[in-house]
Amino acid sequence: EVQLEQSGVEVKKPGESLNISCQGSGYYFSTYWIAWVRQMPGKGLEWMGIIYPDDSDTRYSPSFQGQVTISADKSISTAYLKWNSLKASDTAMYFCARRGVRASYMDVWGKGTTVTVSS
Amino acid sequence: QSVLTQPPSVSAAPGQKVTISCSGNSSNIGKNFVSWYQQFPGTAPKLLIYDNNKRPSGIPDRFSGSRSGTSATLGITELQTGDEADYYCGTWDSSLSAGVFGGGTKLTVL
Repeated sequence: EVQLEQSGVEVKKPGESLNISCQGSGYYFSTYWIAWVRQMPGKGLEWMGIIYPDDSDTRYSPSFQGQVTISADKSISTAYLKWNSLKASDTAMYFCARRGVRASYMDVWGKGTTVTVSS
Repeated sequence: QSVLTQPPSVSAAPGQKVTISCSGNSSNIGKNFVSWYQQFPGTAPKLLIYDNNKRPSGIPDRFSGSRSGTSATLGITELQTGDEADYYCGTWDSSLSAGVFGGGTKLTVL
């Protein structure tokens, strides 16, 4: 079964750094793009960026460029989303998702990682 | 403000049909395939429709999709109370070089 397993709940203070993860299984991880999607409390889905694990080619939405870093380690089938200095406005659910054959859809989703940033 | 525009809510009675619209422009829906997702509270989105009108394995044919110009539509027939959820359209935007979503539509089955 194709799955994306995300890391657990995070509670952080403003200014702290954070790295959350997304591990794929049941398919050849390296050759499928992995996207990250934000969902703030009570709000809609926001596409953040995407990475191709085989060569770490990465694209960011203009809204998230410079705010986060997406990376991947294909040797352990894992993608990451990193913040260097969290803000309260980063409080959200973050989903990773596997891109389908075309860029226009994501066919497999992780269950999400809840990130709460509060002093 | 989402790049794609959806109505915030739609409603219909059990057994009836409902459609949800998704409006974009020539850089996104006008140039790329459209997908639709279903999301229940507290859970991850689930792919319902891809490539404008294709259903992944396991999605019932009560769900359908279409695209015309710079707009797309999700149709749901034979509505059930279990269809109450948020629905999102999505696609690629060739100008932004990024994925984009609609703001989401809450479906209420009265």
